[in-house]
This record gives sequence, C-alpha cells and structure tokens, in this order.
Amino acid sequence: VQLVQSGAEVKKPGESLKISCKTSGYTFTSHWIGWVRQMPGKGLEWMGIINPGDSNAIYSPSFQGQVTISADKSLSTAYLQWGSLKASDTAMYYCARIWEVTIHDYWGQGTLVTVSS
Amino acid sequence: QSVLTQPPSASGTPGQRVTISCSGSSSNIGSNSVNWYQHLPRTAPKLLIYTNNQRPSGVPDRFSGSKSGTSASLAISGLQSEDEADYYCTAWDDSLNAVIFGGGTKLTVL
Repeated sequence: VQLVQSGAEVKKPGESLKISCKTSGYTFTSHWIGWVRQMPGKGLEWMGIINPGDSNAIYSPSFQGQVTISADKSLSTAYLQWGSLKASDTAMYYCARIWEVTIHDYWGQGTLVTVSS
Repeated sequence: QSVLTQPPSASGTPGQRVTISCSGSSSNIGSNSVNWYQHLPRTAPKLLIYTNNQRPSGVPDRFSGSKSGTSASLAISGLQSEDEADYYCTAWDDSLNAVIFGGGTKLTVL
C-alpha cells in the first residue's frame, strides 16, 4: 500500500489550489481516504474523509465549506482543494487510507502548502 | 482547545515505562473506540494502536493501549530513544459527526 502526495506548493492569498494523493497497492474504492492538517508548530487536525466508491464526503465542522475533498476512481487518486487560499491555510497536509471510518492505517508523506503574499 | 485532552509533554529515561492519558466525554471516548498515532518530525504519522488496544503488525508489544469510561491511555514500556515523538489519540465524536484528535503529547527520552 502506498499513498504518494503531490509536491510542495507556494501560493498567494486568494489563489486556488488542488493537491493530490495517488494510491496504489490496494483497491481504491474499498477504503475511504482522509485528510489531516498540521499547522506550523501545532497538532494534527482531522479535515474530512471521502468514500472513493461514491464520492460521499464527510467534513469536520471546522473545515466544512473551506475545502473540497474529491476522488477520481480512474486514477486511484484523492484530492483536497481550495477555492481561495488564506495565509492561515499554510500547513502540512497529509492524506491517509482509512478503515472502519476512524482508523488511518497508511499515510502519505505530506504536502507542504505555503500561502504568502 | 481539543475535545480530547492530552498532557502536552511527557518524559522518561531509557528502559522506563511511561503512560500518556487521553480524556474525553460520553460523545467520543465514552461511546467509540480510540486510536493512537506516533508522529516523528518530518515524517508521516504512524498508526500505533487501534480499537483501544490492538497493535498493527510491526508495532512492538512495548506499546499498549487501554480505555476505561471516557478516558484512554497509551503505555510505552522499555522506553527507547527512538520513541521520542509526538503521540496523538483520536476518536469519533457523535456530537460533531467527525473524528477528533487530541492535542498531542510530546514524549522526550532523557
């Protein structure tokens, strides 16, 4: 099982962004995929999860409306996207494979997003 | 402030046993299972304990988890220098309809 995330991004406030998490080694539609944020010097925060089988997504109340989680079955890839970035979105973002909704058993290497004018 | 409360720091000397607590409520730990993750700097987090007390394949039996009521604990016996990391507890919260992470505990091996 491998989850490989897209590379670091440097963006300006107001710009849009979509980062990816490409999976391999298992059946993509058999497990939910989740996203977790770590802001500089802070702890891990759960953002939400998506069922790649039907693209049903569940968001943390803290992130609902702030980001969009999506998946492309044909590419075995999940995505996290922002429509208008803020400086406060600067963080490391991790994707993880999930089973039984809450168990994040395999993780991507992380994508560092820096938002600065 | 996290819904799951962990001590910000813990420490021990090599060979010692340390315990990290995670305190929640009836809507999370009290009614759902707890998982624990180890996070070393500049690496991906690693699943350490799932469903309260189960170890994934490859995790040494020095690591153990327990749950009682609305609290959970992670115990590390035979402490080693490579155990120096941040440790997080998580659980589903029925009120928030989301997974919640504890604030994390930074473990220092003296």
